[in-house]
Amino acid sequence: QKEVEQDPGPLSVPEGAIVSLNCTYSNSAFQYFMWYRQYSRKGPELLMYTYSSGNKEDGRFTAQVDKSSKYISLFIRDSQPSDSATYLCAMSARNAGGTSYGKLTFGQGTILTVHP
Amino acid sequence: DAGITQSPRYKITETGRQVTLMCHQTWSHSYMFWYRQDLGHGLRLIYYSAAADITDKGEVPDGYVVSRSKTENFPLTLESATRSQTSVYFCASSVGVGAIAFFGQGTRLTVV
Repeated sequence: QKEVEQDPGPLSVPEGAIVSLNCTYSNSAFQYFMWYRQYSRKGPELLMYTYSSGNKEDGRFTAQVDKSSKYISLFIRDSQPSDSATYLCAMSARNAGGTSYGKLTFGQGTILTVHP
Repeated sequence: DAGITQSPRYKITETGRQVTLMCHQTWSHSYMFWYRQDLGHGLRLIYYSAAADITDKGEVPDGYVVSRSKTENFPLTLESATRSQTSVYFCASSVGVGAIAFFGQGTRLTVV
């Protein structure tokens, strides 16, 4: 079983819809949680970053982390065609020095299409 | 421009050939990583480096070799390419605090 599970979709929604993307994980040591967005034939780019549990909002995007359930979510409000991309959840544990050097474990990625 | 540059962007090679993928970053980040991306598997870590001359294996290191003689460069070598190494390869770097990794544009490698 993979450490991080993400529904690969594909997910197709109309413009303006609320999109919910989710990942579950099994490693209780994960403390840093990220969502990356990847456009076709491009590298992943950081979209949201959360440390430990809680919510974080940035414009139309909200990231939620529930460590007790080992579950993270990304919500996109008022989705736009430009949001069409693959969304990757990623997470990391602290290293022995108390920081985390960016060694990430990724979900499979969810392909999202927002149609006009 | 600052950032991570990967070269080549596209490469076709034959089975058994040695091929090297290049990665160069201008941020002076301590940590660098190589991931491969395959359908159904997401991104998987091949090798990573905490500093010059310090490297370690990731999840899928077999068939790959890395070196890091300078902080800014982290080349990945396929010693004897196999078809199973056909993939998109991403280089990334991190400052080491907070776990945020920044990715290059990728190298699409096809082994025939």
